Amino acid sequence: GENVEQHPSTLSVQEGDSAVIKCTYSDSASNYFPWYKQELGKGPQLIIDIRSNVGEKKDQRIAVTLNKTAKHFSLHITETQPEDSAVYFCAASGPGGSYIPTFGRGTSLIVHP
Amino acid sequence: ETGVTQTPRHLVMGMTNKKSLKCEQHLGHNAMYWYKQSAKKPLELMFVYSLEERVENNSVPSRFSPECPNSSHLFLHLHTLQPEDSALYLCASSQDPGREQFFGPGTRLTVL
Repeated sequence: GENVEQHPSTLSVQEGDSAVIKCTYSDSASNYFPWYKQELGKGPQLIIDIRSNVGEKKDQRIAVTLNKTAKHFSLHITETQPEDSAVYFCAASGPGGSYIPTFGRGTSLIVHP
Repeated sequence: ETGVTQTPRHLVMGMTNKKSLKCEQHLGHNAMYWYKQSAKKPLELMFVYSLEERVENNSVPSRFSPECPNSSHLFLHLHTLQPEDSALYLCASSQDPGREQFFGPGTRLTVL
């Protein structure tokens, strides 16, 4: 089955800095890669996703890049703000796993004002 | 809120109790999921239903029993739980497997 590794487990940055979270996956057939943000006391919410037919996608301060050859994808947050502090999860899904997503272990991002 | 509601939000139960968690989605989705989220562990998929039929069961102990009476409702029936079952139980839905998942706020379960 699919295996998703996520690093780092904790990331601490100063407000205004950039933050990068990286994930690798094992199943070359995976073709959908969402990123979720989970704030304290809430369920995860999708913030951005990418499909295997593109290499990069941006939405304001958030971007995701995908390298299919290397089987890794990354989340980039620029100009971080204290409200970006949360736990971020990557996931991968595809036909190999009946399209059920496999999640990474999560990254706790702390943005210091 | 995301259109997925869960009740109760908090539950404390003894090991001999029987309780049920409820999830409801108002998004017209075809797939619904139960996840267990423990501290310092990844999200653990428990059950997946697609069009009201169970399509995935990740070797979950029989003390957890899911029920999906229709595409909008999902239940998790609990009986004779163990303290290590204490966790946040998250429900999610998606249009179909492989599409964006919408999560509920979760039920914080404590087993004494």
